[in-house]
Amino acid sequence: KAGVTQTPRYLIKTRGQQVTLSCSPISGHRSVSWYQQTPGQGLQFLFEYFSETQRNKGNFPGRFSGRQFSNSRSEMNVSTLELGDSALYLCASSLAAGGRNGYTFGSGTRLTVV
Amino acid sequence: DAKTTQPPSMDCAEGRAANLPCNHSTISGNEYVYWYRQIHSQGPQYIIHGLKNNETNEMASLIITEDRKSSTLILPHATLRDTAVYYCIVSENRDDKIIFGKGTRLHILP
Repeated sequence: KAGVTQTPRYLIKTRGQQVTLSCSPISGHRSVSWYQQTPGQGLQFLFEYFSETQRNKGNFPGRFSGRQFSNSRSEMNVSTLELGDSALYLCASSLAAGGRNGYTFGSGTRLTVV
Repeated sequence: DAKTTQPPSMDCAEGRAANLPCNHSTISGNEYVYWYRQIHSQGPQYIIHGLKNNETNEMASLIITEDRKSSTLILPHATLRDTAVYYCIVSENRDDKIIFGKGTRLHILP
């Protein structure tokens, strides 16, 4: 079966712009989580959605937002981009909330802010 | 913050068993132990999880001590493709979020 699909794979944006990243979970998975990975901070939790509702949120500013659609696809948006937002953004899906049986991760979107 | 402590790096000879330790001394009764690994430039990959019994699947074995304060992930016959960062995570997986620590960088030596 198809895995977790993230688009686009690579993105270059300018400071001050906004960006939207997309994640299509494995068919049947209703939980989608987002992570930011940087060399300095490692993998940091952004938020989790389950059945279109945000269940958990990490310690990121309000510029980072997300949503989940009725087909479980999810998007995350970052507004007013800063250089420090350059990172690999990873999406993970799971059948149950909280990744009870383990998350399946996508390959990520590498965002570069210049 | 991550609730686990892992050595920053380990070496293992190809073909030998790789034993990766993890301390989780503050684990509560409802928390599971999860292991993921991340091969360079890829998303993390789920390996195995357990509550208190030892678990085995096609990838690895998970040994959890009786007091549940530590665990060991065992890769029975390590290959070069097992070179990765291995993350040990504890999570109640009900309302909890998965928090990754710094993990152990495992080097498989030919």
